[in-house]
Amino acid sequence: QQQVKQSPQSLIVQKGGIPIINCAYENTAFDYFPWYQQFPGKGPALLIAIRPDVSEKKEGRFTISFNKSAKQFSLHIMDSQPGDSATYFCAASIRAGGSYIPTFGRGTSLIVHP
Amino acid sequence: KAGVTQTPRYLIKTRGQQVTLSCSPISGHRSVSWYQQTPGQGLQFLFEYFSETQRNKGNFPGRFSGRQFSNSRSEMNVSTLELGDSALYLCASSLDPGLAGGRYFGPGTRLTVT
Repeated sequence: QQQVKQSPQSLIVQKGGIPIINCAYENTAFDYFPWYQQFPGKGPALLIAIRPDVSEKKEGRFTISFNKSAKQFSLHIMDSQPGDSATYFCAASIRAGGSYIPTFGRGTSLIVHP
Repeated sequence: KAGVTQTPRYLIKTRGQQVTLSCSPISGHRSVSWYQQTPGQGLQFLFEYFSETQRNKGNFPGRFSGRQFSNSRSEMNVSTLELGDSALYLCASSLDPGLAGGRYFGPGTRLTVT
């Protein structure tokens, strides 16, 4: 059972566009929602994260919108650049055994054309 | 600071063999977690270690095991390899698993089982 559903699977935008990636979760016990960026041949890197008591968080060109009642959250990339071309993963983490255990979405492959 | 290092980067094994992968965390980080990444299942949590103790374990068979040493380096072992174990194995380190963020991933070990 997939607990975190991510869409779309792939996304192509022009430079300057605003790609939006969406995730939905089922377990209301999740309480930390990070986004990761992964380039080919590299491990994922934490991009931005949000807690469920906040509806929006911005860091540079990256914004997370969070809708607790709908159990959905999304990543917006403002003024997208070709260097943003990568795979993006959302995750939802639950606290267990003194640590946070993430459940990841399936990923979105983003291509930004020059 | 040097990042998370994983060795080897690539590995080819035959079905039925066993394999050991190594992860050296960022200096000062005491927690190491392991993940399996495949095209079919995405990123999945394997287990997490903190101060040489396993804190949590994901939904994987007992053939997957790990350990952490006093210098925080970690190894994971997969016994009786199956074709489906072919994957990118990622480890991530953090200062404290009780902190939601701050997980830094290594580049991964690409395991191919033939």
